[in-house]
Amino acid sequence: EVQLVESGGGLVQPGGSLRLSCAASGFSFSTYSMNWVRQAPGKGLEWISFISTNSRTIYYADSVEGRFTISRDNAKNSLLLQMDYLRDEDTAVYYCTRGPPIYTVAWYFFDFWGQGSPVTVSS
Amino acid sequence: DIVMTQSPATLSVSPGETATLSCRASQSISTKLAWYQLKPGQAPRLLIHDASTRATGIPSRFSGSGSGTDFTLTISSLQSEDVAFYYCQRYDKWWTFAQGTKVEIK
Repeated sequence: EVQLVESGGGLVQPGGSLRLSCAASGFSFSTYSMNWVRQAPGKGLEWISFISTNSRTIYYADSVEGRFTISRDNAKNSLLLQMDYLRDEDTAVYYCTRGPPIYTVAWYFFDFWGQGSPVTVSS
Repeated sequence: DIVMTQSPATLSVSPGETATLSCRASQSISTKLAWYQLKPGQAPRLLIHDASTRATGIPSRFSGSGSGTDFTLTISSLQSEDVAFYYCQRYDKWWTFAQGTKVEIK
């Protein structure tokens, strides 16, 4: 069974940093691209970052470019999101999602999601 | 940028009736469209991809149709467990979600 479990969320002050983790199991993690998606309170879903299987291709949404860093550790079946210079508008539930399998074009649907990790940016 | 728009914002349907959700893209996205179901406290679930292909394990009462700019998610014989938010997403290039539709029981 595919499982994605996020952790690391919490309360942080504006300008601060937080690191989210996503533990993957039930599939060959190293052969799938991954994404982070977030949902602010009362708002819709927003894709924020993509990473390919070998980490050579990385994309960010304009809203987080230059502040967030996506990475992965295929040996540990883990996806990471380093969030720096956090703003009030970064308050959201952050979801780890599975993307396309290896050798597949990046533009693909998200077939599995974690339950999310809430992040609150407030003073 | 391609803008995705869903309607209605809220849909109230009697149990056993059909719910019809609409999603529109501001430019053609071929059939690169997915539908997701979100319930509080649960992991979001992929329902439909490539506009009309049901994901693994999704009940047959969920169906998708459309291509180009206009898409529809149909939930036949609505059940109480179908109460949720539903989002469409384009993935032709980049990933953009519409604002969602809340489905509730009348």
